[in-house]
Amino acid sequence: GAVVSQHPSRVICKSGTSVKIECRSLDFQATTMFWYRQFPKQSLMLMATSNEGSKATYEQGVEKDKFLINHASLTLSTLTVTSAHPEDSSFYICSALKRETQYFGPGTRLLVL
Amino acid sequence: DQQVKQNSPSLSVQEGRISILNCDYTNSMFDYFLWYKKYPAEGPTFLISISSIKDKNEDGRFTVFLNKSAKHLSLHIVPSQPGDSAVYFCAASLNSGNTPLVFGKGTRLSVIA
Repeated sequence: GAVVSQHPSRVICKSGTSVKIECRSLDFQATTMFWYRQFPKQSLMLMATSNEGSKATYEQGVEKDKFLINHASLTLSTLTVTSAHPEDSSFYICSALKRETQYFGPGTRLLVL
Repeated sequence: DQQVKQNSPSLSVQEGRISILNCDYTNSMFDYFLWYKKYPAEGPTFLISISSIKDKNEDGRFTVFLNKSAKHLSLHIVPSQPGDSAVYFCAASLNSGNTPLVFGKGTRLSVIA
C-alpha cells in the first residue's frame, strides 16, 4: 500500500499566528514529498518540493520565509504557515513519492480569521 | 500557459455505460502520466498511470490510453458506477515521475443511476 496522512485535517487560527501541518507516509519511506495548495474550484498548485535532509525547492511566487518546510525524516514533512493572514486560507495537500507515483494525503483545511 | 488541459469541465454518464475522460498536453518531454480521483475536501486518490513507452494500461474497470503523436490521453471507466462520481484530474511529469506533477483543471464526472 501507499498511505499518506496529514494532521490536522482542519485548523482555524487567528491572523498573525503560525500553523504547522504534518505530512506522513505511513507504510513507505519517501525521500521526496510535495506540498500543494488548492483554491476553490481550481486545480492543485504546487508550492514546493521537499527533499529529506536538504532545503525545499519553492515554486515561483511562493514565499519560502512564509511557508517553512522541514523534511526531517523519510516519513515526515512539515509545512509551517508563519504569520498567517486571511488570504492564506486554503486547502493544503501533501504528497509523497513512492517509486514514480505520488500518493496524496487527505488535505488540511486552513481558515485564518 | 497550461501544459495539461482537460477541456471538459463536466461529464454525465448513465450507470453501466462507459465514461471517457480526455486530457491533452503540450510538453512533449512529459514521459509519465497519471489519473487521480478527488472528492471535495479530500486529497486526490491515485487511480492509474502510464509511461510514455506504452500506449495502454488497464486496471480493472479503468483503462488509460496514450497517443503520443497527438499528445492526448484518455481514461475509460467501464462500467461506470454511481460511486465513480467525483472530479478526475489528469497529471503529467518528467523524468519518469520523479518531478512535480503538472495537473489539469479536472473534469467532474457524474454517474447517474
